Amino acid sequence: DAGVIQSPRHEVTEMGQEVTLRCKPISGHNSLFWYRQTMMRGLELLIYFNNNVPIDDSGMPEDRFSAKMPNASFSTLKIQPSEPRDSAVYFCASSFRVGQPQHFGDGTRLSIL
Amino acid sequence: GQNIDQPTEMTATEGAIVQINCTYQTSGFNGLFWYQQHAGEAPTFLSYNVLDGLEEKGRFSSFLSRSKGYSYLLLKELQMKDSASYLCAVAPEAGNTPLVFGKGTRLSVIA
Repeated sequence: DAGVIQSPRHEVTEMGQEVTLRCKPISGHNSLFWYRQTMMRGLELLIYFNNNVPIDDSGMPEDRFSAKMPNASFSTLKIQPSEPRDSAVYFCASSFRVGQPQHFGDGTRLSIL
Repeated sequence: GQNIDQPTEMTATEGAIVQINCTYQTSGFNGLFWYQQHAGEAPTFLSYNVLDGLEEKGRFSSFLSRSKGYSYLLLKELQMKDSASYLCAVAPEAGNTPLVFGKGTRLSVIA
């Protein structure tokens, strides 16, 4: 079975550029989560969706961050404009329902110069 | 608020047993999860406890005491490949509430 698929695996770009991260959840999972992980802050929940609907985006750091889930098999996290402090590993995870074990994608390692 | 505490780092010897503790204070409780994360990789699900007691799965066991807000992950017969971060996470309430993750314990297994 295919797990959660994220792209790209690595992204290096200059500050001010738009960055789009992509995620395909496991088929049949109804909940999707976007996390950011850094050494200092650990794993932070940015936003999560249930049945394609955003439920809680209180973890999104600023208006520069936005996320969409147009259908059950695809989600994007966009940063515009990007800043060096956005450099981190961004994980997408999915689960059958909120509160159940989450399965993580391999992450996107983002570096903003 | 939600708070999960676990030690930042631990070191143990190959072949030994190590116990990684986790304490939590959350608005409710609907289960506790342990994840393993190797450096540069994604977290992978290890175990789930919702009732008090010990759950054993091969070399790994996880214990829960809901009254004490306490869990531990026990790793036996340590191997070098067990060097990783171990994340404790709690489902605070039933229904539409996502997991709250601790910052993780980085375990180094030495020869």
